[in-house]
Parts: sequence; structure tokens; C-alpha cells
Amino acid sequence: DAKTTQPNSMESNEEEPVHLPCNHSTISGTDYIHWYRQLPSQGPEYVIHGLTSNVNNRMASLAIAEDRKSSTLILHRATLRDAAVYYCISSGGSNYKLTFGKGTLLTVNP
Amino acid sequence: NAGVTQTPKFQVLKTGQSMTLQCAQDMNHEYMSWYRQDPGMGLRLIHYSVGAGITDQGEVPNGYNVSRSTTEDFPLRLLSAAPSQTSVYFCASTAAAGRGTGELFFGEGSRLTVL
Repeated sequence: DAKTTQPNSMESNEEEPVHLPCNHSTISGTDYIHWYRQLPSQGPEYVIHGLTSNVNNRMASLAIAEDRKSSTLILHRATLRDAAVYYCISSGGSNYKLTFGKGTLLTVNP
Repeated sequence: NAGVTQTPKFQVLKTGQSMTLQCAQDMNHEYMSWYRQDPGMGLRLIHYSVGAGITDQGEVPNGYNVSRSTTEDFPLRLLSAAPSQTSVYFCASTAAAGRGTGELFFGEGSRLTVL
């Protein structure tokens, strides 16, 4: 799995968009990019994943750079409930063996 | 549909005691994993299972045993607890094993303190 680099923390305001960056410069051509988040005192939960194309779902959007060396998780309108640690994972293996780094702690201000 | 259920939620042990953390899922998932999370850290993989009767070691397996006698259950055993095993433990399951497929579902965690 490729190493990922994320900022330790970020802040945003409620109802504003949030762009969470992730660098994965050593990603291989078959590695997927996964995003999970962990709310306080809970287990991680799936957010989104993609390979090459940008992806959208009800929770977020994932924008993947053309060279795939970086990606951005986009929360279109942050709510207080989005305050969590967000993990970016680059993996070419099976999902039951994903490696979680320290992630980005997102604080949402009312 | 309960998802992934972990018990107990909290446990305090003395050094040298043994215990079992229980994990059960009702989604008929083949693949299950145990992670531990230490303060300010990410999650580290302890053991995983690709089906009933099949288990393997992850990144930090020492001091832990697992078994998978049924699809639903994947207990984690601490043989002789040590203070270094103080952590929050998460069980996870997924239906698919292929690259990029299969959302990983996590339990709410079991917080273990070893004195």
C-alpha cells in the first residue's frame, strides 16, 4: 500500500464546503483510494472510494488528480456532525486489511 | 439489522489475566478483522479471517489469539494481558475481498484497560 500524507488538522465553518487533501505520490496504478471517517467514540465508517475518475455519493465527492498522486475529499456543506477524523488510504490489497494512518482531525465551527 | 456488535464496551483487567473480546456480525460477511487503536494513532491490524476456519496474522498479532468457528463470530482472546495492550479494539467485517470493493463495517469498539 502506498504511504499517504494528510494534514494533522483542519477547521471549517458550518454550511461551508470543506476540501480535505491527501498526498499519495507513490501510488501504483492498481491502488484504490479510500476515505473513511471516525466520529468521536465510534468506529470508522466508510465515506467514499475511487480509482481514477472523480466519484460522488450522498456523503461526499472524491476528486482524484490526473496523475493520481493526490486526491481531495470534498464535503459540500459541512455540518457539526461532520466533525471527525478523516482517513485517506491508498491500497492495492483487500479491504479487510486496510491500513489506517493518523488521519486529519476536522473541526466544524458553528 | 445490528451490523457489527462488540462486547464488552469497557473492560478493566489486571496484568496476567486473560479475557475474550466478542465480535458478531449479522450481514453474512465472509471477511472479518480486528484492529487496535492507541491514543492519537491510527488503527493497526491484529488478525483477520477470510472465512470460517481460516485466520491469519496482521501487523501486531503478538499476545492475541483468534478463531472463526462460524461466519458470524470472530472472538479475540488476550492470553495474558499486559499494560501495553491497553487500547481500543475494533472489529470489522466486509462482504467482498477484491481490490477496491466492499465497504468495511466497524463495530463501536471495546475499550480495554490493563492495570
